[in-house]
Amino acid sequence: RKEVEQDPGPFNVPEGATVAFNCTYSNSASQSFFWYRQDCRKEPKLLMSVYSSGNEDGRFTAQLNRASQYISLLIRDSKLSDSATYLCVVTGDSSYKLIFGSGTRLLVRP
Amino acid sequence: GAVVSQHPSWVICKSGTSVKIECRSLDFQATTMFWYRQFPKQSLMLMATSNEGSKATYEQGVEKDKFLINHASLTLSTLTVTSAHPEDSSFYICSAREHWGVNTGELFFGEGSRLTVL
Repeated sequence: RKEVEQDPGPFNVPEGATVAFNCTYSNSASQSFFWYRQDCRKEPKLLMSVYSSGNEDGRFTAQLNRASQYISLLIRDSKLSDSATYLCVVTGDSSYKLIFGSGTRLLVRP
Repeated sequence: GAVVSQHPSWVICKSGTSVKIECRSLDFQATTMFWYRQFPKQSLMLMATSNEGSKATYEQGVEKDKFLINHASLTLSTLTVTSAHPEDSSFYICSAREHWGVNTGELFFGEGSRLTVL
């Protein structure tokens, strides 16, 4: 079983749609959780951290369910510029070690 | 925000040669930098943790004699792929953290170096 699992997609949605991505992780000791965005052939960039209480940043909402070891990302009012691969990232046994999911690809069409 | 610069962005080399990739933190000191490798449509895989002034810590399955890491200063880490072969062709990305500790500090990535070994 992979340490971080994501649906690879692609999710193909029209502009303005709401889309949700899920991620599960296997290490119950993981302490920190993040969503990163990676554009084609570019480096990943932090989209948002994920807190136990859930957090929102504009059109993006992240949720964490520790009991189910499950993380989600909700994107409202999708823009063309949201097209990218979204990486679910958790810390491993050490707080500094990040474990990356293979990513979920989002395509937003006009 | 903090910036990490990686060089070169692209490199093409012949099989058997060695390639050096540099990773610099431009406006902060990074006692620890991380080297990742990403094959097409796969996740980033941590190769090693580079510690300033000491030996790098390699992940299981990563050959330390093949992937030489040097972190001689607080702003520079280098990865040398020795005797490169076509299967080493990949996207190599470095990263650094501005602050140490759980839940602190965003991990900043370099732009990545795409290595193609002919």
